[in-house]
Amino acid sequence: AQKVTQAQTEISVVEKEDVTLDCVYETRDTTYYLFWYKQPPSGELVFLIRRNSFDEQNEISGRYSWNFQKSTSSFNFTITASQVVDSAVYFCALSERNRGSTLGRLYFGRGTQLTVWP
Amino acid sequence: DGGITQSPKYLFRKEGQNVTLSCEQNLNHDAMYWYRQDPGQGLRLIYYSQIVNDFQKGDIAEGYSVSREKKESFPLTVTSAQKNPTAFYLCASSLGTSGSWNEQFFGPGTRLTVL
Repeated sequence: AQKVTQAQTEISVVEKEDVTLDCVYETRDTTYYLFWYKQPPSGELVFLIRRNSFDEQNEISGRYSWNFQKSTSSFNFTITASQVVDSAVYFCALSERNRGSTLGRLYFGRGTQLTVWP
Repeated sequence: DGGITQSPKYLFRKEGQNVTLSCEQNLNHDAMYWYRQDPGQGLRLIYYSQIVNDFQKGDIAEGYSVSREKKESFPLTVTSAQKNPTAFYLCASSLGTSGSWNEQFFGPGTRLTVL
């Protein structure tokens, strides 16, 4: 079973629109970490945010914001006033803290391709 | 500058040949990882290493091999046993699995094409 589900395969918006990328995760651990990465056309993954399971405060960084809700096992990512440079594939990932030999690995969702049109 | 380097960026291989992808990091990270990315599949873990001279299989290790003789290097060999090796390969590293935070830093990737 997928530990991280990104149901939106592709999203297209026009510049200046707001867009939300969904992420739903599954874990039995009480301590875990959630991540978002951006993959521009160049291919290298760029780290955006890390959140631990005990911190449910939403976070805002410029035009980016993240909504973490343990009750629904979701960690959604919103881009406000999108720009063409936001076009990329965005990955949500989960790291489980208490998993013995698999400690430290990331489980990635399949990614959401965001295209922002001028 | 600290970071992760992967070489080459593009690699072409004839069917039946083994090929080794390079990954080097100067971040003094203990843990290193290899992922494979196919269109629509996201990233899948091939192998990872938590410490020098030790490594574990990920989800799709068949047809691949690795070594970890030095802390900064984690080469991946794609063997002729790998049935469908054409893909984008990403190497990553992180401070260590014992830390509270497990942010992984990624290299620029190697695109392997089997002819």
